[in-house]
Amino acid sequence: KAGVTQTPRYLIKTRGQQVTLSCSPISGHRSVSWYQQTPGQGLQFLFEYFSETQRNKGNFPGRFSGRQFSNSRSEMNVSTLELGDSALYLCASSLVIGGAVSDTQYFGPGTRLTVL
Amino acid sequence: AQSVTQLDSHVSVSEGTPVLLRCNYSSSYSPSLFWYVQHPNKGLQLLLKYTSAATLVKGINGFEAEFKKSETSFHLTKPSAHMSDAAEYFCVVRTYYSSASKIIFGSGTRLSIRP
Repeated sequence: KAGVTQTPRYLIKTRGQQVTLSCSPISGHRSVSWYQQTPGQGLQFLFEYFSETQRNKGNFPGRFSGRQFSNSRSEMNVSTLELGDSALYLCASSLVIGGAVSDTQYFGPGTRLTVL
Repeated sequence: AQSVTQLDSHVSVSEGTPVLLRCNYSSSYSPSLFWYVQHPNKGLQLLLKYTSAATLVKGINGFEAEFKKSETSFHLTKPSAHMSDAAEYFCVVRTYYSSASKIIFGSGTRLSIRP
């Protein structure tokens, strides 16, 4: 079974631009979460989606947004990029059993975003 | 309030010797606890998780962790280190309340293995 895939793997943007990252969960997984990893702040939770609805949200500004499609694939968007948005963005997928999201997450390799 | 503290930012051991990576947590609710490993330029891989069953949890690659409620600790151990264990390790706390959950990652411990 294929793992979580994220595209693109590497991205370079300039300040003020916007960016869209994509995540395809493991087949059968219906919950997708996003995380930001930086050397200074470590790993921080961005948001979680299940059934095309945002279920949880971390403490990030409104420039960070996401969505989930009916096939469980998810995208996250960052508008008006700032230098501090440079990070590894990780996506994780989970099974949903009986309406409850499993707490076991499977991570993708991440998208490395560099903002110049 | 919820927090997780990994007590060592870097641990170095010789190949074949035991590994101990320390994690303390605090949570207002009964948490689920996890250890993940991240190899360079890779995503996170689940090593093991604790969810209020047995306090000694066995994971992959010979790792195990013991949940000690009285000490609020969830330390990760391995009897004999292998060169391939060199990586970053993260202790994670997840708490469920109402219809939401909160997840917090520790700051990570970099494990180096000396030949």
